[in-house]
Amino acid sequence: NAGVTQTPKFQVLKTGQSMTLQCAQDMNHEYMSWYRQDPGMGLRLIHYSVGAGITDQGEVPNGYNVSRSTTEDFPLRLLSAAPSQTSVYFCASRRDTAGEQYFGPGTRLTVT
Amino acid sequence: KNEVEQSPQNLTAQEGEFITINCSYSVGISALHWLQQHPGGGIVSLFMLSSGKKKHGRLIATINIQEKHSSLHITASHPRDSAVYICAVRFPMGGGSQGNLIFGKGTKLSVKP
Repeated sequence: NAGVTQTPKFQVLKTGQSMTLQCAQDMNHEYMSWYRQDPGMGLRLIHYSVGAGITDQGEVPNGYNVSRSTTEDFPLRLLSAAPSQTSVYFCASRRDTAGEQYFGPGTRLTVT
Repeated sequence: KNEVEQSPQNLTAQEGEFITINCSYSVGISALHWLQQHPGGGIVSLFMLSSGKKKHGRLIATINIQEKHSSLHITASHPRDSAVYICAVRFPMGGGSQGNLIFGKGTKLSVKP
């Protein structure tokens, strides 16, 4: 199993540009989530999904959209990038709400 | 507000030392996770526990539900243990919780040879 994969690993955007961070898992996990990690702060939940077709907002959802059309994929879209979205983004999945969490390798995003 | 506090924030140890990292939380939980973030950035799950104690190699995790406190111990520490250790808690379903994790800020451990 590849586990949780994320692309790209690094990305630089200009303010106002849009992009999609890709996330996929091959473990047939129902629960997937996106986090951002900023210096001096714990991982913060952006959006999450408890199954295909079901998504919900986390702690810091503004400026981001998600969709879950398949069990495997959970892309995160930045609609109009802002410098405040400079961060490291992690996708994660688990079997269900009670399972062990598996993380992707992360995407380092810089918005200038 | 549901909070997770870790201590210490930074820890430097000599190779071979016994290390303890602490995590406390404010309200009842259904599970607690210990995670390790490597210097390269990757995050791996070390333990998930809801009571008692778990051991894997030189790592031991304990939790005291009544005191709302967990500890991660590393015996015979080694430079390869240098990493950020993160505590995360999952609150019971219901009351707006969907089983999402709340993370501490992490403890940066450096083990010197």
